[in-house]
This record gives sequence, C-alpha cells and structure tokens, in this order.
Amino acid sequence: TQLLEQSPQFLSIQEGENLTVYCNSSSVFSSLQWYRQEPGEGPVLLVTVVTGGEVKKLKRLTFQFGDARKDSSLHITAAQPGDTGLYLCAGVKNTGNQFYFGTGTSLTVIP
Amino acid sequence: NAGVMQNPRHLVRRRGQEARLRCSPMKGHSHVYWYRQLPEEGLKFMVYLQKENIIDESGMPKERFSAEFPKEGPSILRIQQVVRGDSAAYFCASTGQANTEAFFGQGTRLTVV
Repeated sequence: TQLLEQSPQFLSIQEGENLTVYCNSSSVFSSLQWYRQEPGEGPVLLVTVVTGGEVKKLKRLTFQFGDARKDSSLHITAAQPGDTGLYLCAGVKNTGNQFYFGTGTSLTVIP
Repeated sequence: NAGVMQNPRHLVRRRGQEARLRCSPMKGHSHVYWYRQLPEEGLKFMVYLQKENIIDESGMPKERFSAEFPKEGPSILRIQQVVRGDSAAYFCASTGQANTEAFFGQGTRLTVV
C-alpha cells in the first residue's frame, strides 16, 4: 500500500502552460518535501513544508501544504523545458520517524 | 561538506554473480534508505537502516537481497546470484536525527547481462 499518492502520474504540456501536481495521503505528516529528479541523476530537494496551510514559492514553483497536513500541491507557472523531470513528494509521518516517498509525477515540457 | 556518495556509479554483473552497492551518508547522518528505480518509474522503497540496525526491510525481496549499515564504514546493499530482473538504478538517501529532509546519492546503475 502506497502511503503517498501523486497525480497525475504522467503529464506532457506545452512550454508556457501552467500545471499542478498533487500529493495525497490519508495520514498526517509532520513535514513534507518535494524533489525533482532529472534523467541519470538522484532526486534533488526543492522545498520542505512543515506547517499546515503553508505556502512556499521558489521562482515559478509554488508549494502548498494542506491545512490538515495530509496533502500537498506543486504548481508551476509558465512551464519551461528545463522543468522536465520526475517530481516526487516525500514526508515524515506525524507518528514515527520514517520517510515515505510518493509515486512520482513525470513531467515533460515540450518546447 | 560531501554529500551522499554512492559507488560504483555503474556496475555490470553476469547472471549468478554478486553485486555490492555502497552508500556513504552525509557527514553527521545516521539514517540510510535504499530505493530501487526502473526506467520511467518512481522510487520503490527497499530498506531503512540506522547504524547497526535494520529498522524497516518491508520493501526488500526475501531472498538474495541484504543490507547493512555498520558502526564504521558505508551502508552496503548486497544482491546475491543476480538475475536480469535485478537490473535497475539503486539510490540511497541519508537523513539526520531530526529526519526532516533526505539527501540522495547519484545512484548505482546495475546491469545484469
């Protein structure tokens, strides 16, 4: 059973479009992270959110942690080909000390 | 301030041989996770270790696979008698005591021929 479900699994869009990726769970998390992985490389940490309702911006990327700390979203404005990659959410549950990773969203931005 | 180091980056083994993958966590980190990834797929959890302890190995195949994280030295993921289906990228990540953020190595790409 996957603790963190991401949607969509695959996304292909044109350069300049906006998109949102979702990360959902029935469990509560004390913190949640988003990573991006490019082909042939390991995942790289983008952001950590810890407070319910928290919103963080990283240039054209906006990350939100749900009020109940069970879900998160990643919104990209005016996507560029350099945004292409696998986006992974991950979190530490409120109970316990273990990291859990989402199923991943593979994004392709077409020039 | 070295990051997570994995070696080798690429490993080729013949069917039936053993594969040993090494992961040195970030300095000061005492928790290590191993993941397996097939092309175009996400990360599949294998095992979570602290120094000298296996905390969760629910993602590890019951046979041929083992992992350790000794008091001194890197964490080792060992695959005995490799088969073609073991070909994949294997990533490790390390976290500190606070366990709030994981940092990944660049992975070992295992090819079984």
